[in-house]
Amino acid sequence: DGGITQSPKYLFRKEGQNVTLSCEQNLNHDAMYWYRQDPGQGLRLIYYSQIVNDFQKGDIAEGYSVSREKKESFPLTVTSAQKNPTAFYLCASRNEQESTDTQYFGPGTRLTVL
Amino acid sequence: RKEVEQDPGPFNVPEGATVAFNCTYSNSASQSFFWYRQDCRKEPKLLMSVYSSGNEDGRFTAQLNRASQYISLLIRDSKLSDSATYLCAVNPMGLMDSSYKLIFGSGTRLLVRP
Repeated sequence: DGGITQSPKYLFRKEGQNVTLSCEQNLNHDAMYWYRQDPGQGLRLIYYSQIVNDFQKGDIAEGYSVSREKKESFPLTVTSAQKNPTAFYLCASRNEQESTDTQYFGPGTRLTVL
Repeated sequence: RKEVEQDPGPFNVPEGATVAFNCTYSNSASQSFFWYRQDCRKEPKLLMSVYSSGNEDGRFTAQLNRASQYISLLIRDSKLSDSATYLCAVNPMGLMDSSYKLIFGSGTRLLVRP
């Protein structure tokens, strides 16, 4: 099946640790995005990438890092510098070839800092 | 003023009712508009894009009012299964920005009761 997968579904981290969230897609989409969602709030853009080996900061990039070494993969690292990392993290992708804004989401990773 | 604003609700309606949500946006250059549905602790799923002429998909109708800068979602004959949070999303840069970033509202919660 084509789609976007994120792992793990739930992640627990101790303060001061870095963690990496996985996002993989087999839709052959060029563009990928990472969002954060806090309870009762909308999605806020962390980072995005429109092409392999290139990515741009979103609105709340501080304390996060990404890489885009392969078209299919866009992992997000939540570093110890992120002050309030507990949130629901969503990865999305978009088909650049269609020049459309429509983004499709993975199932998300729920990160809790203990 | 937030770029994209929604009434958080909840809207509590009986089955069979018609309910409408609005979403206002601040950037008059915005070109693309979407409604997403998000179930509790799940990822957002695209419900429909919003076109200038308005569009309908079964019981759902979306409309765009550029003069007043808002989009609306009308749900007719509400079902219990319509209970969810409805997020609007806007591309504020339109054709000026090839990243096709979306700005999301914080969502409107709908509860349909028997």
